[in-house]
Amino acid sequence: SQTIHQWPATLVQPVGSPLSLECTVEGTSNPNLYWYRQAAGRGLQLLFYSVGIGQISSEVPQNLSASRPQDRQFILSSKKLLLSDSGFYLCALTPKAFFGQGTRLTVV
Amino acid sequence: AQSVAQPEDQVNVAEGNPLTVKCTYSVSGNPYLFWYVQYPNRGLQFLLKYITGDNLVKGSYGFEAEFNKSQTSFHLKKPSALVSDSALYFCAVRPPPLNTGFQKLVFGTGTRLLVSP
Repeated sequence: SQTIHQWPATLVQPVGSPLSLECTVEGTSNPNLYWYRQAAGRGLQLLFYSVGIGQISSEVPQNLSASRPQDRQFILSSKKLLLSDSGFYLCALTPKAFFGQGTRLTVV
Repeated sequence: AQSVAQPEDQVNVAEGNPLTVKCTYSVSGNPYLFWYVQYPNRGLQFLLKYITGDNLVKGSYGFEAEFNKSQTSFHLKKPSALVSDSALYFCAVRPPPLNTGFQKLVFGTGTRLLVSP
């Protein structure tokens, strides 16, 4: 069965510090992978998606970047965090449309 | 481009009563439709999906959803609500797979369900 692992579960980082959130999947190959951000416990904003290794598409301009160094690994990064980067970050895969448990990021 | 609308920010229902959470969609071709539930500080949990076949789809925790192509709707329902059903519910849509290209999974803004004892 397919599973998604996200870590860490929670993270508190100072403004201006770097960020690296990792998402790995098991039980499938060549998935489409997504990073979403959820602010204030409501709607999901699609940040990035990837159809394969090294292939990243950005949905909105922002302070974040994504990389896919391996087929089942999807990384969300920032060189310098802003307060507005705070939120709940979710990794997902299709076609089964599974989600990871999320990372709660608080930028202070 | 596909889109999803969840017209209600919040739905209130008494325990034991039936519940409906509304969702309408817009997509080219035959849609793949999903419902998810999110509990506080947790990831999204899959409830059910419609791809093809019977318009009434049964899912986890006693939930079901009815696909209505003419009304482009996919409302979530449960015959008898439980207090533990209180959570945030998301509807999502994506177009059917193509030989090439990427099919984006798009979410509604979510509906908060509150079930009172």
